[in-house]
Amino acid sequence: EIVLTQSPGTLSLSPGERAALSCRASPSINSNYLAWYQQKPGQAPRLLIYGASIRASGIPDRFSGSGSGTDFTLTISRLEPEDFAVYYCQQYRTSPYTFGQGTTLEI
Amino acid sequence: QVQVVQSGSEAKKPGASVQVSCKTSGYTFNSYYMHWVRQAPGQGLEWLGMINPGTSAARYAQKFQGRVTMTSDTSTSTVYMEMSSLRYEDTAVYYCAREVVGGTAFQHWGQGTLVTVSS
Repeated sequence: EIVLTQSPGTLSLSPGERAALSCRASPSINSNYLAWYQQKPGQAPRLLIYGASIRASGIPDRFSGSGSGTDFTLTISRLEPEDFAVYYCQQYRTSPYTFGQGTTLEI
Repeated sequence: QVQVVQSGSEAKKPGASVQVSCKTSGYTFNSYYMHWVRQAPGQGLEWLGMINPGTSAARYAQKFQGRVTMTSDTSTSTVYMEMSSLRYEDTAVYYCAREVVGGTAFQHWGQGTLVTVSS
């Protein structure tokens, strides 16, 4: 089973700042089969990025993804108030399709 | 547009079974795998498995093998997830999610179904 470790657990920033969220895979995914999701309280997750760097339909361009193999990053260039939420990475290279434990982005 | 609508909340006793449905519309049902994910209260996301709605071929996470069964009904464009031998720790919101076009990530999610296991 591939274990995804997200860091930091909580990230405290202000609107307008840049956020960088990390996701490390062990063992390596050996591909770019990684996605990022945003989840707000009481809502289903929302797909932001897949294929490590492809923005999903309707996702603003302030969200970007990078990385391959073992180290991946979700970057939010300028935080908007609606971006404060929990973010999960997920690998879909190997079953079971595991998720990271999440990073809480708080004001 | 793609719509994914799940059945309502369930309350079950330990040892019982539960079935959650996921009705889809707005796309060709057979063309995309459907996945099931759960989230215990205050916890992260956990993948249960996936089903090919056209063939009903399913793959389960080893943790749930033998306790979870996924099925599909092409006549109603609905997929089902049944979990048996429920335990207190199965209390969670269960989601179904359809894959994104051209990939395996989960783009279209149901609203979630709360399953509560309590005596």
